Amino acid sequence: AIQLTQSPSSLSASVGDRVTITCRASQDISGALAWFQQQPGKAPKLLIYDASDLGSGVPSRFSGSGSGTDYTLSISSLQPEDFASYYCQQFKSYPLTFGGGTKVEIK
Amino acid sequence: HVQLVESGGGVVQPGRSLRLSCAASGFTFSNYGIHWVRQAPGKGLEWVALIAYDGSKKYNADSVKGRFTISRDNSKDTVFLQMNSLRVEDTAVYYCARDKIDHLVGLGDAFDIWGQGTLVTVSS
Repeated sequence: AIQLTQSPSSLSASVGDRVTITCRASQDISGALAWFQQQPGKAPKLLIYDASDLGSGVPSRFSGSGSGTDYTLSISSLQPEDFASYYCQQFKSYPLTFGGGTKVEIK
Repeated sequence: HVQLVESGGGVVQPGRSLRLSCAASGFTFSNYGIHWVRQAPGKGLEWVALIAYDGSKKYNADSVKGRFTISRDNSKDTVFLQMNSLRVEDTAVYYCARDKIDHLVGLGDAFDIWGQGTLVTVSS
């Protein structure tokens, strides 16, 4: 199975900060990567698919990039509603796998 | 309104069985593959199973292979997850989620609709 390693596992940031989360795959996944946001007690929400395509209704402050084994999720200017956990997921092969998650907390 | 609603969770003893349901509304259910994803308390997300839009393909995670079976009834717009030989480590919130791309037989690119989840607790 393809392993996804997210870093950092948690971070503290302030409103207005730029935040970057990385996801490294154990093998080339050719851009078959999605990013999800999860608020406490809620279902995940799609942010990015195909490594860099914005999901429907997702604010433009979110962006994704990367290729091969290394991918990033960026939030250009952190908003209060962005304090949440973020997960990457690969769609290159079954079994589908998720990264371990990154919790973004208020500084 | 496009939505998925899970049901069937509860408390069950180790070794027993439980069947979860995922009911869809607001879209043509028979056009979309449906996945189950679980989240143990305080932990990350784990993909569990997929059934293709027409039921022709099914995949399971190794952790549930031989114990969990995914199925669907397109006449009732519902997907099921039959969970047998439950273990304490199966305790989690179980979400169903929809493939973003319709009529998909192979790999997709994301899950675009998620249910609210149903809690399964395996405990003696």
